Amino acid sequence: DTGVSQDPRHKITKRGQNVTFRCDPISEHNRLYWYRQTLGQGPEFLTYFQNEAQLEKSRLLSDRFSAERPKGSFSTLEIQRTEQGDSAMYLCASSLVSHGGYTFGSGTRLTVV
Amino acid sequence: GQQLNQSPQSMFIQEGEDVSMNCTSSSIFNTWLWYKQDPGEGPVLLIALYKAGELTSNGRLTAQFGITRKDSFLNISASIPSDVGIYFCAGPMDSNYQLIWGAGTKLIIKP
Repeated sequence: DTGVSQDPRHKITKRGQNVTFRCDPISEHNRLYWYRQTLGQGPEFLTYFQNEAQLEKSRLLSDRFSAERPKGSFSTLEIQRTEQGDSAMYLCASSLVSHGGYTFGSGTRLTVV
Repeated sequence: GQQLNQSPQSMFIQEGEDVSMNCTSSSIFNTWLWYKQDPGEGPVLLIALYKAGELTSNGRLTAQFGITRKDSFLNISASIPSDVGIYFCAGPMDSNYQLIWGAGTKLIIKP
């Protein structure tokens, strides 16, 4: 197991386009989290899954954002009708229920032009 | 809402010096986490603290969970160039382990 993988690493898109990111967590981890990070800030929580169930969503997650984890393994985060304010690093992390420390992926850097 | 106050915001130090940074909260935490983030990468967990008063080391890094459960500090001894990066404290705000984060301490080492 090589840790948490995110794809793509970088994405440049035009405003108004839809984008989808993928995250493959550590295989035995049943919790998966999405965070967003802008320059000079710590990560901000977006949503999390326990197995395939999406248990919590931040109010930061507008209706243009949707996340899925269909089989309790990999997850996707889709942003529809992207806006310039969506430009950020999107981080995925996974953990075991009983363990407090997350393992993060390398992130997907989104630039909306 | 809950916030973690992390200081200093940045540090310019000479190679070989010791570094100390801390994090405080107005609320009690049951877990404190310290992460390091390099440019263009995700944060990497350095040390996790689970008990008030706990002092834990990871190589040249030492972190302590404050007795009041409202603070934590991270020390780096004998800094080396690869210590450069941004250090974040974080803590879970509820049983769902949604983490809240400090704003980070940027460590810069003068050659």
